[in-house]
Amino acid sequence: QTVVTQEPSFSVSPGGTVTLTCGLSSGSVSTSYYPSWYQQTPGQAPRTLIYSTNTRSSGVPDRFSGSILGNKAALTITGAQADDESDYYCVLYMGSGISRVFGGGTKLTVL
Amino acid sequence: EVQLVESGGGLVQPGRSLRLSCAASGFTFDDYAMHWVRQAPGKGLEWVSGISWNSGSIGYADSVKGRFTISRDNAKNSLYLQMNSLRAEDTALYYCAKDRTFYGDEGGAFDIWGQGTMVTVSS
Repeated sequence: QTVVTQEPSFSVSPGGTVTLTCGLSSGSVSTSYYPSWYQQTPGQAPRTLIYSTNTRSSGVPDRFSGSILGNKAALTITGAQADDESDYYCVLYMGSGISRVFGGGTKLTVL
Repeated sequence: EVQLVESGGGLVQPGRSLRLSCAASGFTFDDYAMHWVRQAPGKGLEWVSGISWNSGSIGYADSVKGRFTISRDNAKNSLYLQMNSLRAEDTALYYCAKDRTFYGDEGGAFDIWGQGTMVTVSS
């Protein structure tokens, strides 16, 4: 069974840049997995940030960007702000029907 | 306003059944695939099930396959999740999520989320 991997935690200084990644336990992530990214703060429903690798969802500021870096999908936050402190989840389309798989999530701390 | 409102959660004993509903408004419901996503207390998000716009494509996570059934009624702008043989590990906040595509396959992603309904499985 394929597992989608993410860093459990990451920290960034205010104003800094951080790149979170999304990989596979076996194989490489490519655009064919249509990676998407979601932000969740405690007690809130998730918010959609990025879909289809690098397309920002409506209303998402351009300091959030998505890409493929090496064999992983990546979410880069440029100019981190205090309210970026959240959990970030990636989701991959596994190439069959409607199925999706979430990564375990990355807890981002801004300090 | 685009909105998804889940209902039907509650406390249920192991082995029993529960049916969740999701009422959609503010968009053309039958133009989009829909999903259920859950989050156990203190844990990450888990995709549970998805259904295409016309119910022609349906998928389940291995953890619920054979026990849960997703369905939709486009005339009522509603999504459902019938959950049978519930287990303690099904305890979670269940979110309804809209897909950005008809079929929820290539290019699909969740773009609108409800606030969730809590399901607690305990004796």
